[in-house]
Amino acid sequence: DQQVKQNSPSLSVQEGRISILNCDYTNSMFDYFLWYKKYPAEGPTFLISISSIKDKNEDGRFTVFLNKSAKHLSLHIVPSQPGDSAVYFCAAIGTTSGTYKYIFGTGTRLKVLA
Amino acid sequence: EAGVTQFPSHSVIEKGQTVTLRCDPISGHDNLYWYRRVMGKEIKFLLHFVKESKQDESGMPNNRFLAERTGGTYSTLKVQPAELEDSGVYFCASSQGSGFRYEQYFGPGTRLTVT
Repeated sequence: DQQVKQNSPSLSVQEGRISILNCDYTNSMFDYFLWYKKYPAEGPTFLISISSIKDKNEDGRFTVFLNKSAKHLSLHIVPSQPGDSAVYFCAAIGTTSGTYKYIFGTGTRLKVLA
Repeated sequence: EAGVTQFPSHSVIEKGQTVTLRCDPISGHDNLYWYRRVMGKEIKFLLHFVKESKQDESGMPNNRFLAERTGGTYSTLKVQPAELEDSGVYFCASSQGSGFRYEQYFGPGTRLTVT
């Protein structure tokens, strides 16, 4: 039973254009969301996060939008660059037994075409 | 500062054999997590250590998996006996604390293939 869903396994975008990666979640108790980026043969690295009290967080070319009523978040990358080609994982933080564990989606592979 | 390291990077074993994965967290990080990604699926939480104590092992698939963190430094994850469905990439992560403010830093993973 997947609580965090990324329904697009892959996305191709032209360099310089906007990349939009989407993520849906089912648990309304989630308070915090993150995006991680993963290159081949490397571990995921933190990209950007958002608290449930906000609806937008921006960091340079990366912006995350949160729509709590729709249980949806999205990552916008503008402008997209070839170095952004990677797998992007959406994650929510769930808390049980004092553990803040990450609940990940299945990932979206972004390819930015030069 | 050295990141999270994992050894080996890749392991191929036969069904029924035993494998031990190792994780060295970032120095000073009391919190250590194990995750697993089966091909094409989500990265799934396995367990969480605070120092040498298991805080949460709710994600461990079954009793063929044993995680330890003696001395609160490095951790090992042993699979015995390995089954075909154990194949996947095992990630270790560490953080300074546990909470929204504390980013988890991931290692490069160990790719386990059970044949």
